[in-house]
Amino acid sequence: QVTLRESGPALVKPTQTLTLTCSFSGFSLSTSGMCVSWIRQPPGKALEWLAFIDWDDDKYYSTSLKTRLTISKDTSKNQVVLTMTNMDPVDTATYYCARIQRDQYYYYYMDVWGKGTTVTVSS
Amino acid sequence: QSVLTQPPSASGTPGQRVTISCSGSSSNIGSNTVNWYQQVPGTAPKLLIYSNNQRPSGVPDRFSGSKSGTSASLAISGLQSEDEADYYCAAWDDSLNGNWVFGGGTKLTVL
Repeated sequence: QVTLRESGPALVKPTQTLTLTCSFSGFSLSTSGMCVSWIRQPPGKALEWLAFIDWDDDKYYSTSLKTRLTISKDTSKNQVVLTMTNMDPVDTATYYCARIQRDQYYYYYMDVWGKGTTVTVSS
Repeated sequence: QSVLTQPPSASGTPGQRVTISCSGSSSNIGSNTVNWYQQVPGTAPKLLIYSNNQRPSGVPDRFSGSKSGTSASLAISGLQSEDEADYYCAAWDDSLNGNWVFGGGTKLTVL
């Protein structure tokens, strides 16, 4: 059974750096085709993709946020870490991590999501 | 402003068939597959359809997906009260070094 769980601070101050950890089980991020992604959702708003990292340690970032984001993995611990610098109240959201895998034609999709962690940015 | 365009709301009565549209462009839906997610308020999104029209194990066959050109649709037949949720489409976008893009979401109300 594949599961993912997000963890991190519930409250951060403006200008601080946010560090979130995605701990997963049921798959290995060293398996070809496997990736882990971060997505966020501000209250009452739509989903927004942030970043993903693949089995080969290639990293992809949202064009609009890439200067603030860093994603990394620890395959031995089954964890993926996302850092976001210079946090602002508009970054208040629920942050999700999700597994990405590919179909037989090498098209990718996010299939299993964590329950999310809520982050509030306020002084 | 979401890259993929969905109607903000949809509705239907129990037993009816409803469809939700998702409009994109040549760099996303036109050249990649579409995935659909169901999100009950207060919970995480759940994969409903992947690769345009494939259902993961456990998703009822009342849910179906299709794609044509730069648009996609999610159809729900035999509408049930538990289908009331927000629905999102998603696709990879090849522009600007690549980004996953989502629709703005459609709130489905079962009357």
